[in-house]
Amino acid sequence: NAGVTQTPKFRVLKTGQSMTLLCAQDMNHEYMYWYRQDPGMGLRLIHYSVGEGTTAKGEVPDGYNVSRLKKQNFLLGLESAAPSQTSVYFCASSYLPWGNNGQFFGPGTRLTVL
Amino acid sequence: DAKTTQPNSMESNEEEPVHLPCNHSTISGTDYIHWYRQLPSQGPEYVIHGLTSNVNNRMASLAIAEDRKSSTLILHRATLRDAAVYYCILRDDFGNEKLTFGTGTRLTIIP
Repeated sequence: NAGVTQTPKFRVLKTGQSMTLLCAQDMNHEYMYWYRQDPGMGLRLIHYSVGEGTTAKGEVPDGYNVSRLKKQNFLLGLESAAPSQTSVYFCASSYLPWGNNGQFFGPGTRLTVL
Repeated sequence: DAKTTQPNSMESNEEEPVHLPCNHSTISGTDYIHWYRQLPSQGPEYVIHGLTSNVNNRMASLAIAEDRKSSTLILHRATLRDAAVYYCILRDDFGNEKLTFGTGTRLTIIP
């Protein structure tokens, strides 16, 4: 099993550009999450999904959109990137909300917005 | 959301036990206590979780105070690979998906 994978690993954008981050998991997990982590800080939840076709807002959803068209994939979109969105983005998945083994995290995507 | 308080940093010698404290004085009866750790340049990794009783697994032990207002993550024999940021998180398992990781405790292992 690959677990949770994220594409791309690194990206540099100019202000106003758009992009999509892809998260894929091969563990048949129902729940998927997108977090951001700014330097020296903990993770903050952006959006999450409790199953295919569902999405919900987390703590910091503004400026982001998400889609869960397939159970194994969770996409995070930035329609018009801003320097404040420079961060490391982590995707996670879990069989249950948290569950006995917690959430499984991907390796992260480092995004810089100039 | 209930809040957790952890020391910013701790140091420990290699091959010695490490006790990482967490205070959560406003914890509610349905909050589970979860611990994650984040190694440098990696995503967080689940360590352990519990509700009321002490818990053990292959990675660590979790000691929960009788009043549940504090807990301690115990690494029985620290290795250099245990150097990471450790997060103590409260999670309500009754439908609340939102959570806050906080800034955690940065654990340094001294060879």
